[in-house]
Amino acid sequence: DIQMTQSPSSLSASVGDRVTITCRASQSISTYLNWYQQKPGKAPNLLIYGASSLQNGVPLRFSGSGSGTDFTLTISSLQPEDFATYYCQQTYSIFGITFGQGTRLEIK
Amino acid sequence: EVQLVQSGAEVKKPGESLKISCKGSGYSFSTFWVGWVRQMPGKGLEWMGIVYPGDSDTRYSPSFQGQVTISADKFISTAYLQWTSLKASDTAMYYCARQVVRNTNWFDSWGQGTLVTVSS
Repeated sequence: DIQMTQSPSSLSASVGDRVTITCRASQSISTYLNWYQQKPGKAPNLLIYGASSLQNGVPLRFSGSGSGTDFTLTISSLQPEDFATYYCQQTYSIFGITFGQGTRLEIK
Repeated sequence: EVQLVQSGAEVKKPGESLKISCKGSGYSFSTFWVGWVRQMPGKGLEWMGIVYPGDSDTRYSPSFQGQVTISADKFISTAYLQWTSLKASDTAMYYCARQVVRNTNWFDSWGQGTLVTVSS
């Protein structure tokens, strides 16, 4: 299995802050990397696919970058509705998909 | 509008069987893979496996192979996840999701989740 490691596991930040979450793959996955946001009691929601493509309807303050083994999700200016848990997902191995362990973003 | 609607919450006893469902609408159900994802209480997301409703091709995560059965009925646009003998450790929220496959692939639409509680 391809292992995905996110950092940090949790993060405290304030409204208006710029926040970066990283995800590292145990082997090269090209750009087969997606990011999801999950709020308590809700299903995950796709934010970024293919490492850097913004899903329709997702605010422009979200962006993704990276290729190979190292990826980042950046929120340029945190809004109150952005406090949630974020997961990366590799789909390089289409029949062996794996998620990162999650990053919980909390209000400071 | 693409929608995946899952069956309702279940409370079962250890050893019982269970089949939960995920009904797709608003798209050609047969031509997209549907995946299942487990989320144990307070934990992260785990990919369980996927099914292609067009020909019922099914693939499993090694962690779930032999523990569950994933299937689909393209004629009623529904995917399924089933257990023959539940354990307390199967207590979790289960999500289905549509997988888009293009130059890369991703889960673009998710069901609302089915909470399965297994307790004696």
